[in-house]
Amino acid sequence: AQTIHQWPVAEIKAVGSPLSLGCTIKGKSSPNLYWYWQATGGTLQQLFYSITVGQVESVVQLNLSASRPKDDQFILSTEKLLLSHSGFYLCAWSLEQGNTEVFFGKGTRLTVV
Amino acid sequence: GDSVTQTEGLVTLTKGLPVMLNCTYQTTYSPFLFWYVQHLNEAPKLLLKSSTDNKRTEHQGFYATLHKSSSSFHLQKSSVQLSDSALYFCAFASSGSWQLIFGSGTQLTVMP
Repeated sequence: AQTIHQWPVAEIKAVGSPLSLGCTIKGKSSPNLYWYWQATGGTLQQLFYSITVGQVESVVQLNLSASRPKDDQFILSTEKLLLSHSGFYLCAWSLEQGNTEVFFGKGTRLTVV
Repeated sequence: GDSVTQTEGLVTLTKGLPVMLNCTYQTTYSPFLFWYVQHLNEAPKLLLKSSTDNKRTEHQGFYATLHKSSSSFHLQKSSVQLSDSALYFCAFASSGSWQLIFGSGTQLTVMP
């Protein structure tokens, strides 16, 4: 069975500090990977997607970057956090393009102060 | 561009009553529609999906029918339970796209 692990579970960071969030998928070879952001009680906004190692596409610009250093790993980062970065970050994977179920990890709760 | 609209932000019902959560979409492509449910402090999970016109799809007592003529995919349940209290998202994808577009979400609260 496929599992998706996100770390850390929660973070409290200062404005202007760097950030790195991680996600690992086990049990699925060459998954499509995604990062989503959700404001508290808000909708889910897709940030990045990756089809293969080393290749990441940006969907929206939020002063964040993403990388896929390994087939099963997806990293979200920034050098300088903004207050607007606060929210819930969800890593997800899917089997195919677009028209299939997306499976979400448990997310990272980020609070920028 | 493609979009998904959920008109109700908050729905409060008494246990045992029926519910319908609205979802409409706009696209020029062949649509795939989804309903995701997110319980408090949990990740969203798929509830229903469809790409077939006028075919009812059901899961866990919830059902929805994709109507391409009206660009709608409303979620219904005949009798809500306390455990149905959650945030419900309608989402859209089109063939050939890597983007899953979510609606603004509807918070369903079921009262005893």
